[in-house]
Amino acid sequence: DAKTTQPTSMDCAEGRAANLPCNHSTISGNEYVYWYRQIHSQGPQYIIHGLKNNETNEMASLIITEDRKSSTLILPHATLRDTAVYYCIARIQGAQKLVFGQGTRLTINP
Amino acid sequence: DTAVSQTPKYLVTQMGNDKSIKCEQNLGHDTMYWYKQDSKKFLKIMFSYNNKELIINETVPNRFSPKSPDKAHLNLHINSLELGDSAVYFCASSQGTGISGNTIYFGEGSWLTVV
Repeated sequence: DAKTTQPTSMDCAEGRAANLPCNHSTISGNEYVYWYRQIHSQGPQYIIHGLKNNETNEMASLIITEDRKSSTLILPHATLRDTAVYYCIARIQGAQKLVFGQGTRLTINP
Repeated sequence: DTAVSQTPKYLVTQMGNDKSIKCEQNLGHDTMYWYKQDSKKFLKIMFSYNNKELIINETVPNRFSPKSPDKAHLNLHINSLELGDSAVYFCASSQGTGISGNTIYFGEGSWLTVV
């Protein structure tokens, strides 16, 4: 699986959009970009994933650059409950496991 | 309804003891996993089972023995517990390896403390 690079920590004001960047410059054509988050003392929670196109669901939007070397997870209206560690993972299509890095610790401030 | 459930949630035990953590998923998935999160918060895969067959074993000490009685259950038995086994253990499941990418769903974790 391709290595991903994320900022160690970020802050965002409640109600604003939280934009979490992820670099995956060595991603291969069959690797998906997955985002998970882990709220304190809970299990990792799936957020969204994509291959080439931008994706949106009820939780977030995923913007993948045309060259696929980076992506941004967008939480459109962050709430205090979005405070968590966010993991960006590049995962080979059909791979059996997720390889977690250190993630970004996102703090939503009131 | 809890999709991936594991018991116990908290476990404190002495060194040398043998303990088990149970996991059940009601999602109809055919693949289950055990992940370990240590004190530094790194999440690492330990085992993966597909249709009750072991498919991933990430160089875990043989004191750790997973058992999958059926597709919906994957239990983790740990013999001769050591201080370094203290961690949070997460069970997870997914449906096969579809071409669209199979999403992995995690349980809430079992907090093991060895004293």
